[in-house]
Formats: sequence, structure tokens, C-alpha cells
Amino acid sequence: KAGVTQTPRYLIKTRGQQVTLSCSPISGHRSVSWYQQTPGQGLQFLFEYFSETQRNKGNFPGRFSGRQFSNSRSEMNVSTLELGDSALYLCASSLLAGVNEQFFGPGTRLTVL
Amino acid sequence: DQQVKQNSPSLSVQEGRISILNCDYTNSMFDYFLWYKKYPAEGPTFLISISSIKDKNEDGRFTVFLNKSAKHLSLHIVPSQPGDSAVYFCAASHTSGTYKYIFGTGTRLKVLA
Repeated sequence: KAGVTQTPRYLIKTRGQQVTLSCSPISGHRSVSWYQQTPGQGLQFLFEYFSETQRNKGNFPGRFSGRQFSNSRSEMNVSTLELGDSALYLCASSLLAGVNEQFFGPGTRLTVL
Repeated sequence: DQQVKQNSPSLSVQEGRISILNCDYTNSMFDYFLWYKKYPAEGPTFLISISSIKDKNEDGRFTVFLNKSAKHLSLHIVPSQPGDSAVYFCAASHTSGTYKYIFGTGTRLKVLA
């Protein structure tokens, strides 16, 4: 069974630009969560989608948004990029929403110059 | 407000000895805890979990202990192997409320051969 895939793996943008990251969950998984990992901050929860609906959202500004498609694939968008948005963005999928085991993708490394 | 804390950013252990990774939390509503392992350039991999109704869960060389009164959990790896060298994250959630995993900042474990 294929794991969680994220594209692109690496991305370089400049301040003020916007970016869209993509995540394909494990086949059959309907829940997708997004996390931001920065040095010293660990993994910080961005949002969770289940059946195309956002179920939960972390404490991030409105510049961070996401969506989920009917095939459970998810995209995350960051508008008006800031230097501090440079991070590893991780996507995790799970069979259902709620508290259960999450499987992480390799992440997208975003660098904002 | 760091609700899940891993106060040791790094730990070095000799091969064959026990590795003990610690995690503290502040939210008494947390009732489900997990440990993840992360290698460079890969997403975190689920290791082991524990529900608050238990105080110990064992899986092979990995054992997680939960002390609810102290709001403390620990991961024991016995015996430690060089392949265990990675960053370990603990995470917490509460199943009765809004689903969200809160991760610690991670502990980098180095097992010396």
C-alpha cells in the first residue's frame, strides 16, 4: 500500500508570494491533517480535513488555508508569504477523524527568501 | 503556551543500554498519548501509544509509561540500537473534545556504537 505522498518536496519562494502544497493520503484514508515543523517549535497543528470538511484548526493566521477533495487529496495554501513561514510542512492521513494513528508524509520543505 | 514539553533537546546513549525519553504535559484533559520517531528527510513514524486508562504499554523494545498525577510520560527503549538514532516526538490529545494532536518539540536521540 502506497504511503502518504506530498508534492513538491522542496520549494523556494519570496516574501509576498503565495504557495500551494499538495498531499495524497493513503488509499482509503479519509482524514488529512497538516502540521508545520520549525526548529524549537516541534510540530504545530494547522488543520484537519475529513470528508471535504475542515474539522479543526490550529492557531495560525488566515493566510493559511486548506481544502480537501472528494478523493481525499488535500491542498494547503499560504498567501502573502513571510520569512517566518519557512518550515517543513507535514501532512498526515488517518482512516477516520478523531484520535487515531496518523501516518505522515515526508513533508514539503518551504524556504521563503 | 507549550502544553506538551520535551525538556531534553538531545540524549546520547551507549548501544545496548536503556534510553529514556521524557515528556511532560499541562492539560489534564489529555487522555491519549503517542510517540513518533523521525529520521532526517522523512515524516514522523508512529511508534507506540497509550490511553489514560493505562499506565504502561509495551511493544517489543519500546515501553511507554504514563504517570497521570505527575502529568508525565516516558518512552523506554531497551536495548538501544544505533538504528534508534532519530528525533522522538511525544504527542497528546483528548478524545472527548475537539480533536487535535499537540506535539512536543522533540528529543534527538543518538545511540553510540
